[in-house]
Amino acid sequence: KAGVTQTPRYLIKTRGQQVTLSCSPISGHRSVSWYQQTPGQGLQFLFEYFSETQRNKGNFPGRFSGRQFSNSRSEMNVSTLELGDSALYLCASSSLADNEQFFGPGTRLTVL
Amino acid sequence: DAKTTQPPSMDCAEGRAANLPCNHSTISGNEYVYWYRQIHSQGPQYIIHGLKNNETNEMASLIITEDRKSSTLILPHATLRDTAVYYCIVRVARQNSGGSNYKLTFGKGTLLTVNP
Repeated sequence: KAGVTQTPRYLIKTRGQQVTLSCSPISGHRSVSWYQQTPGQGLQFLFEYFSETQRNKGNFPGRFSGRQFSNSRSEMNVSTLELGDSALYLCASSSLADNEQFFGPGTRLTVL
Repeated sequence: DAKTTQPPSMDCAEGRAANLPCNHSTISGNEYVYWYRQIHSQGPQYIIHGLKNNETNEMASLIITEDRKSSTLILPHATLRDTAVYYCIVRVARQNSGGSNYKLTFGKGTLLTVNP
């Protein structure tokens, strides 16, 4: 079956703008998690959505938000972009039965 | 989640077994040991996980000590394509998480370089 897909794969924005990233989970998976990866901080958990509800949230400012749709697709939004938001944003999906998470290829965001 | 300790880097010759250690001395009884790897600029890839018994799949073997305070990931015949950062993570199973803390807490991992 198809894996996790993320769009766009690459994005360039300027400070102060906002951005929306999209994630389509593996068919049948209802849990979607988002992670940020930077050279300095490594991979950090942003939040998890399950059945359209945010269940877990990491230690990120309110500029980072997300949502999940009834078809389990998820979006994350970052408002008022800062240079430090430049990162690889990864989405992972899992099912109720799985204990492992399956990651997408990521969206590389560059903030100028 | 319990913290893990891994060596920052390791080398391995192509065709030989790669043994990647991980210490997780504060692991709780209901926490599993997970291994993921990340090839440069790609998303992490699940490798294997276990609770207390040794596990094997098509990718690797996981050896967990009897006291569960450490584990070793074994790639039996490393290839150049196995060059990646390997992450050892401990986490409760979803069914034990109560809906919370269902996340992966990544450390810095081990950069495994497989040499020809």
